[in-house]
Amino acid sequence: QVQLVESGGGVVQPGRSLRLSCVASGFTFSNHGLHWVRQTPGKGPEWVAAIWYDGSNKYYADSVKGRFTISRDNSKSTVYLQMNSLRAEDTAIYYCARDSGYGSGSYIKYWGQGTLATVSS
Amino acid sequence: QSALTQPPSVSGSPGQSVTISCTGTSSDVGNYDRVSWYQQPPGTAPKLMIFEVSNRPSGVPDRFSGSKSGNTASLTISGLQAEDEADYYCSSYTTSYTWVFGGGTKLTVL
Repeated sequence: QVQLVESGGGVVQPGRSLRLSCVASGFTFSNHGLHWVRQTPGKGPEWVAAIWYDGSNKYYADSVKGRFTISRDNSKSTVYLQMNSLRAEDTAIYYCARDSGYGSGSYIKYWGQGTLATVSS
Repeated sequence: QSALTQPPSVSGSPGQSVTISCTGTSSDVGNYDRVSWYQQPPGTAPKLMIFEVSNRPSGVPDRFSGSKSGNTASLTISGLQAEDEADYYCSSYTTSYTWVFGGGTKLTVL
């Protein structure tokens, strides 16, 4: 079955960096776009970034553009989110999610369990 | 990109029907039939209930249905059951090649 397992969360000071990883299994990784979605407890999810099946296209929410970078390694079935210049408002559970198509404009059915990133001094 | 607008809460008795609305703009809900609905019990990841406005993934009861008119999408749950109590979120693809979610609706089964 499809599995997405995130890691890399933790506590970091404002202005520092964190890299999240998501290892996938149970499907042909190189055939699907991937997303990062974050959520603060008690609030709705916020889409963060997406990358196409081959890494050729990447898209970002305005709130993270220029600070976060999404990338993937199809040989390792892994997608990454490099988060720089972190702010308190980036504190959230970060979910890795699979697009149903090759790109990032289809629907999202599969989600990981999430990893918590806390930005605090 | 502003979040889609959902009512904060809805409620209904077992067996009744409830409808949750999701209002966007001509740049998202009104422009694409790429609206999804998710159910999220506390402490878990969102579960896809409806995709592409009105399609149900396998395993989702046919009590759940979706529709869209203009810039507003709707999720209807008929024959309410206690297990349906959860938070519900809508999402839509946008003309900026991004996704936007709603603020969420808490469904209470009385």
